[in-house]
Amino acid sequence: ETGVTQTPRHLVMGMTNKKSLKCEQHLGHNAMYWYKQSAKKPLELMFVYNFKEQTENNSVPSRFSPECPNSSHLFLHLHTLQPEDSALYLCASSQDLGTGRFNYGYTFGSGTRLTVV
Amino acid sequence: ILNVEQSPQSLHVQEGDSTNFTCSFPSSNFYALHWYRWETAKSPEALFVMTLNGDEKKKGRISATLNTKEGYSYLYIKGSQPEDSATYLCAPNAGNMLTFGGGTRLMVKP
Repeated sequence: ETGVTQTPRHLVMGMTNKKSLKCEQHLGHNAMYWYKQSAKKPLELMFVYNFKEQTENNSVPSRFSPECPNSSHLFLHLHTLQPEDSALYLCASSQDLGTGRFNYGYTFGSGTRLTVV
Repeated sequence: ILNVEQSPQSLHVQEGDSTNFTCSFPSSNFYALHWYRWETAKSPEALFVMTLNGDEKKKGRISATLNTKEGYSYLYIKGSQPEDSATYLCAPNAGNMLTFGGGTRLMVKP
């Protein structure tokens, strides 16, 4: 356990389903991130929240909807996904975003392996 | 978004071999470089954070060097073991977020 917990570990959903991914951390971190990793591609940043405010949306389609009710919890709501959205979705947290010279590392969860059928 | 390149993409070595791989990144606006180790079905785990040109960090058989002027970092593994098999990610910080490279996948055969 790294301190960042993601549920579920695996999810299979149909293209018309609605589901949510959950990420939880009790490290006292204030920044949380969603990343996507598709096969043979680098980690792709999706969303960033800092002190519950969304600071980054990396041109993610609206069928992915993030929610950050507090600094400890982050959700990714999924609806009408496509098969090409099948990927590993990783959550991470850090102390906060910081400015300039910061070297806060990220603590990652183990990811949710999503398959869209 | 930074252009971060890691090479090689994958590497197969025999147990006991020493190996190294490269992370290249833009040298401008550099603040720190992070290395992560990511085993299959687990979460990426922080290895090193380096900030200064010429920095060298070591953790057991794994070490890393940093050249901020030319924009590269090397990761070395001495005497590779099967448990070293993982994907190694580098991530420079040039602002307030990390940008990850594509990783080097290392497979160590017994």
